[in-house]
Amino acid sequence: EVQVVASGGGLVQPGRSLRLSCTASGFIFGDYGLSWFRQAPGKGLEWIGFIRSEAYGATTEYAASVRGRFIMSRDDSKSIAYLQINSLKNEDTATYYCSRVVGISVVAGDHWGQGTLVAVSS
Amino acid sequence: QPVLTQPPSASGTPGQTVTISCSGSSSNIGSNTVNWYQQLPGTAPKLLIFSNNQRPSGVPDRFSGSKSGTSASLAISGLRPEDEADYYCAAWDDRLNGVFGGGTKLTV
Repeated sequence: EVQVVASGGGLVQPGRSLRLSCTASGFIFGDYGLSWFRQAPGKGLEWIGFIRSEAYGATTEYAASVRGRFIMSRDDSKSIAYLQINSLKNEDTATYYCSRVVGISVVAGDHWGQGTLVAVSS
Repeated sequence: QPVLTQPPSASGTPGQTVTISCSGSSSNIGSNTVNWYQQLPGTAPKLLIFSNNQRPSGVPDRFSGSKSGTSASLAISGLRPEDEADYYCAAWDDRLNGVFGGGTKLTV
């Protein structure tokens, strides 16, 4: 069974950093690109970024709203991807999801998991 | 403001067919594929349609997607009470990267 689970969220003060993890199982992790998404409380979905497989250099794409503060990486030996969030802002408060990507669109994530809540507040 | 435009709400009765629209522009839907998600209350989104009209394994064929020009549609036939959820369209935008619609709340 394919599973992709985001973890590492919590209550964080503005300006601090946080690293989220995305742990996968049930498929060959290294064969897939991964996207991160988020959803603010009561709001719609937002794409944050995409990290390609190692076969494509594990290169990344970021949404303009997070570029420069968010950093994605992956460790295929552990089937884990990471999202480093720096200089946290109140507007980063959201549930964060990761998903493997299918098809040709980086916003086509076929397994999201339950997400991890990041709350930014002083 | 979401880049893709969806109606905020839609409704139907059991057994009916409901269609949800998603309008974009030449830089997103007009030149890239469209994907659709279903989000039941309190749960993570579920991919219903990718690459305009492809269903992931396990998604019933009551759900279908189409695209024409800079617009796309999700059709749900044989509507069931359990289809009551929020539905989102998503696409790649050549200028802005990944973009979503604001979501459509379907009431059955």
